[in-house]
Amino acid sequence: AQTVTQSQPEMSVQEAETVTLSCTYDTSESDYYLFWYKQPPSRQMILVIRQEAYKQQNATENRFSVNFQKAAKSFSLKISDSQLGDAAMYFCAYRTLGGGSNYKLTFGKGTLLTVNP
Amino acid sequence: EPEVTQTPSHQVTQMGQEVILRCVPISNHLYFYWYRQILGQKVEFLVSFYNNEISEKSEIFDDQFSVERPDGSNFTLKIRSTKLEDSAMYFCASALRDSTDTQYFGPGTRLTVL
Repeated sequence: AQTVTQSQPEMSVQEAETVTLSCTYDTSESDYYLFWYKQPPSRQMILVIRQEAYKQQNATENRFSVNFQKAAKSFSLKISDSQLGDAAMYFCAYRTLGGGSNYKLTFGKGTLLTVNP
Repeated sequence: EPEVTQTPSHQVTQMGQEVILRCVPISNHLYFYWYRQILGQKVEFLVSFYNNEISEKSEIFDDQFSVERPDGSNFTLKIRSTKLEDSAMYFCASALRDSTDTQYFGPGTRLTVL
């Protein structure tokens, strides 16, 4: 079974600075997807960024980028120019690529990000 | 932009009562999921649903739980006899037909069992 580990329960960053959230995972599969979801105080889960394991290029989405190290099974999220609205719980998630019609997400425990003005 | 909706936003019930949580997935999506998040803990998979049947369920999803897509638009999660430990945030998610697609989450229903 796959597992996802987020070793930082909490992180803080100053507004306009850069912060990196860590995620490691364990899998025996060679093809899969990785995601970062954001959960603000409103509790809705919002997709931040996704990475396909077969792509060597790191995904980017505006101020958000990932550092995907497949051999190390590491998938960190970098937030540049942090804004107050980035304050949220961030979840790293894994999803298998194939296996019929089941594509459940396996989540880490989350990292609570605080942005200080 | 289309989005997943869930009702109610908050449900309070007495232990032993039945509850039905409702979700309206994005209209052209074919894969549906329920997840739950006990306060302060990680989001956990409950069940996936495709082609009008359960494709996988977790060990949490015991006989007290059931899912249904009664009318082609709604997707419901029923808990037959609620327990205190069922108190959690329940998220519905949907994905487009393709296996490569991203799951989009609803805003969640907070279930409180007294």
